[in-house]
Parts: sequence; structure tokens; C-alpha cells
Amino acid sequence: AQKVTQAQTEISVVEKEDVTLDCVYETRDTTYYLFWYKQPPSGELVFLIRRNSFDEQNEISGRYSWNFQKSTSSFNFTITASQVVDSAVYFCALSEAYNPRKGSQGNLIFGKGTKLSVKP
Amino acid sequence: NAGVTQTPKFQVLKTGQSMTLQCAQDMNHEYMSWYRQDPGMGLRLIHYSVGAGITDQGEVPNGYNVSRSTTEDFPLRLLSAAPSQTSVYFCASRIGTVRIPSPLHFGNGTRLTVT
Repeated sequence: AQKVTQAQTEISVVEKEDVTLDCVYETRDTTYYLFWYKQPPSGELVFLIRRNSFDEQNEISGRYSWNFQKSTSSFNFTITASQVVDSAVYFCALSEAYNPRKGSQGNLIFGKGTKLSVKP
Repeated sequence: NAGVTQTPKFQVLKTGQSMTLQCAQDMNHEYMSWYRQDPGMGLRLIHYSVGAGITDQGEVPNGYNVSRSTTEDFPLRLLSAAPSQTSVYFCASRIGTVRIPSPLHFGNGTRLTVT
């Protein structure tokens, strides 16, 4: 069975601090996909990134970076120089590859989320 | 394009009442799904559909029905509402039949309270 664990329920930082959100996953599939979504206080869900299990290169997008390590089954998300606008709930999610012959529809399994509060 | 549209935004029901949460997308996505979000529980998959006429159960399907008569619409029915169904409901869609799952596009959610 697939599972995503976000052990940090809430994190509070002061603006300009760096913060890392942890994500640990479990899957028996050799091909899988990992996602991060952001849910700001307004409530909508915003896609941030998708990585596949064959690509362990770290990715950087502005102040955001992601560290994917298969050896520890982790896909951690770091925000550098945090800002008040980064305050949100962040969800890590896991999907297996779409393969109808194996009964896989690529459904997304979410972690419970980490609430990040960035104070001015 | 409107993307994924959910109606209503808010709803209050009494225990035992029935209602339908509406979801429509204009992106011609084959895959559609419903999630519920509860405090401390993340998002949990209720039902999903990979195309018109095809639906299947997710992690928490009990108490909910779905149908998919068109590509655009994927309504979620509560036949007899219970307080345990108080939640925020999200509809989402994506391109369906591709090996690499594309990101889900989410609606803005429906906040349902059952008293």
C-alpha cells in the first residue's frame, strides 16, 4: 500500500528564515511520482512540482527547492528566505504510474499536510 | 477557460437530507475525482472516474455515490447526510490516459456542514 507521511503538523518561522518541510513516502512500485501542492489561506490547491522516481536531481525554482532521495524515501521541500506570502498548508502526494493492465489509475495519495506560518 | 467549477461553495444540511455537489470542467479531461479534506487528515479520495460511464471507489467511498454521464460533469451525491460527512469537498481533474500522471486541477471546494 502507498503512504505519505508529513510528520511536521505545524511550523512557525520568522520572515527571511529558511524552512524545510519533510515528506516521507512508502510504495512498492518502482515507477512512481511525487508532488507538492500549496493551499494558501484562501483555500485553493496550487500545484508546485512533480518528480518521477527515476530522476533524483534536486530542483530549484526561485526560493523553492526540492531534495529527492530514494535511499531514504524522502522528498523534502525547502523555502529559502521565507516570506509572509509563503504561509499556507503544504501537501506532499504520491502517485503510481498509470497502468490499467495492473489496475493502476495513477490516483494521488496525499499526506496530512504541514501548516507553515511565516511571521513578519 | 473556467477550469474546474464546483457548486455550491457552502451548504448546510440536516442529518438524513440528500444533496448533490456539482463539478464541471471545460478542459476535456478524462480523469475526474472527488476528495474530502478534514482537519489533520489531509485529502482523502472518495471516488474517481477515468472517463464517461466509468467510475470507481477511492479510499473513503461509503455514503457517497457518483456518476459520469458526460466528460465534463462529475456530480457527487450524498444520499442521507451524516454529521461525519461535514467536510470540505474538492473536485479535481487531469488528463487521464497518459502514463505519467499529469497534475490535478482542483476546484475551489465546497464547504459542507451536516447538523
